[in-house]
Amino acid sequence: AQKVTQAQTEISVVEKEDVTLDCVYETRDTTYYLFWYKQPPSGELVFLIRRNSFDEQNEISGRYSWNFQKSTSSFNFTITASQVVDSAVYFCALSVVTDSWGKLQFGAGTQVVVTP
Amino acid sequence: DTEVTQTPKHLVMGMTNKKSLKCEQHMGHRAMYWYKQKAKKPPELMFVYSYEKLSINESVPSRFSPECPNSSLLNLHLHALQPEDSALYLCASSQERTGSYNEQFFGPGTRLTVL
Repeated sequence: AQKVTQAQTEISVVEKEDVTLDCVYETRDTTYYLFWYKQPPSGELVFLIRRNSFDEQNEISGRYSWNFQKSTSSFNFTITASQVVDSAVYFCALSVVTDSWGKLQFGAGTQVVVTP
Repeated sequence: DTEVTQTPKHLVMGMTNKKSLKCEQHMGHRAMYWYKQKAKKPPELMFVYSYEKLSINESVPSRFSPECPNSSLLNLHLHALQPEDSALYLCASSQERTGSYNEQFFGPGTRLTVL
């Protein structure tokens, strides 16, 4: 069975601070995919990134960066110089290729609150 | 066009009503999903359609009835719901099923209140 743990329930920062969201996953599969989604107050989940288990390169996209470490089963997400628009719930998710329908296993989510 | 649309945005219904939620995508995706999300919880998968056929039913009560009339449309028919069914209902689509490395694109959701 797959499991995703986001231990941080809520993180509050002041604008321009950096914030790092932790994601730890468990799976026995060797081929799997990791995702991050953002859910602003409007409700829509916005896809941010996908990583496969064979690609451990870190990635940067603007103010967002992701650190994937298989050795610690972690896929952490950092927002640099946070802005009020970053306020949202962020979900980490996992799917494994041996699950015939690739069900997304979501973590509990981390609420990020950015104040001016 | 990378958009999934859902109607209505909000829905209030009584326990004896029959209503339907609608989802539409024009990205040529062949997999479509219904999720239920309670406040402060992650989305829970309800149904998966692949090539217009129901592939997964995650033990959802029969008062929820999905329908996929064509490759772009997904409906969720609601009947005799309970107050605990009040939630945000999210539709998503992906090029194929997610295990094939394809991310899911989500709609804005329908916020359902059952009185």
